[in-house]
Amino acid sequence: KQEVTQIPAALSVPEGENLVLNCSFTDSAIYNLQWFRQDPGKGLTSLLLIQSSQREQTSGRLNASLDKSSGRSTLYIAASQPGDSATYLCAVRVATDSWGKLQFGAGTQVVVTP
Amino acid sequence: EAEVAQSPRYKITEKSQAVAFWCDPISGHATLYWYRQILGQGPELLVQFQDESVVDDSQLPKDRFSAERLKGVDSTLKIQPAELGDSAMYLCASSQANVLTFGAGSRLTVL
Repeated sequence: KQEVTQIPAALSVPEGENLVLNCSFTDSAIYNLQWFRQDPGKGLTSLLLIQSSQREQTSGRLNASLDKSSGRSTLYIAASQPGDSATYLCAVRVATDSWGKLQFGAGTQVVVTP
Repeated sequence: EAEVAQSPRYKITEKSQAVAFWCDPISGHATLYWYRQILGQGPELLVQFQDESVVDDSQLPKDRFSAERLKGVDSTLKIQPAELGDSAMYLCASSQANVLTFGAGSRLTVL
């Protein structure tokens, strides 16, 4: 069974610092990996989707890398702002599941202090 | 921008009562998902629909949970009877081209 782990569970940084969030998965047979943001008590917002054939994706201050062979993805957020405070979750789409089931990590809770 | 609509946003109920959640996916999205998210954990898939058919309900507690998607559009998730351990956020999502869009969720508290 695919296991997705996110370490650390929580992170606090001063405004302006770069954020580095880690995601690891046990089975490299994935279709893609997706990063989400979740604000307290709200649903999930998709940030970036990386296909299994890709190494990275970028959107504005966000950059996500994927190393499928080692089972790792990293989300970089440049020049963090207080508005970046949220929980960030990664999810992998399992290739061995015929319907492409998404397996989520527990998330990293980020606080950016002014 | 198209959204996934969910209702109610909040529901407080006593154990052994019945509860129901409704989801209206983005128009044209054939795939619909119901996830349960316990506080501090990642979402866990309860049921996945492709059009009106269930394609994965392996994690759905079928003795008390049911889900339907009549006509392949909106969907209802029901719990009867509710238990204390069902307190969680229930998230609906729909997808196209492997990109999931989530609704705002329905927060259930069972007393």
